[in-house]
Amino acid sequence: DGGITQSPKYLFRKEGQNVTLSCEQNLNHDAMYWYRQDPGQGLRLIYYSQIVNDFQKGDIAEGYSVSREKKESFPLTVTSAQKNPTAFYLCASTAGGAEHYGYTFGSGTRLTVV
Amino acid sequence: AQKITQTQPGMFVQEKEAVTLDCTYDTSDQSYGLFWYKQPSSGEMIFLIYQGSYDEQNATEGRYSLNFQKARKSANLVISASQLGDSAMYFCAMTDFAEGQNFVFGPGTRLSVLP
Repeated sequence: DGGITQSPKYLFRKEGQNVTLSCEQNLNHDAMYWYRQDPGQGLRLIYYSQIVNDFQKGDIAEGYSVSREKKESFPLTVTSAQKNPTAFYLCASTAGGAEHYGYTFGSGTRLTVV
Repeated sequence: AQKITQTQPGMFVQEKEAVTLDCTYDTSDQSYGLFWYKQPSSGEMIFLIYQGSYDEQNATEGRYSLNFQKARKSANLVISASQLGDSAMYFCAMTDFAEGQNFVFGPGTRLSVLP
């Protein structure tokens, strides 16, 4: 079955370390997105990519970096510059026409700084 | 800029009864899509229902219906015959054609279904 795979499901990071969250999709979707969710809150856009080798900053890009070398993959790196990285991270994708069909989401990665 | 407001942080409903979750939105664009997602405690986001701004009829998907009032800029979700499995966070979201395919999400409403 097609879908989005996020790994790992749980991730622990020491302060000052960079960490990379994986997002892989086999849906042949062009656009991919990273969202951050804090407890009891909605989703905020970190980065998005509508085509390979191109990506754009979202509302809260500071302290994060991404790459889009392959259509299927959109990894997110949480850098040491991100002061409060503990959150739930969701990856999403769409084939285009998201205004009609919405996103497909992964199951998320819960990042905790220890 | 788009904005979604969900004024109910938490809601309770008795099993088998209907419940309405409120959503109001703000956009200057004439063409847009409105969505509702369900997020159980496991964390995944589950698509429930979609309403296009030009759709004349309210969207329905099984037990879910969307009460779309364009002039009021509201898109309330109605869940009929609530089930215990409906207990979750519910998010209203929108995207408009001018902004590409980026979604804006509301803060969510936590629904608890009581037996």
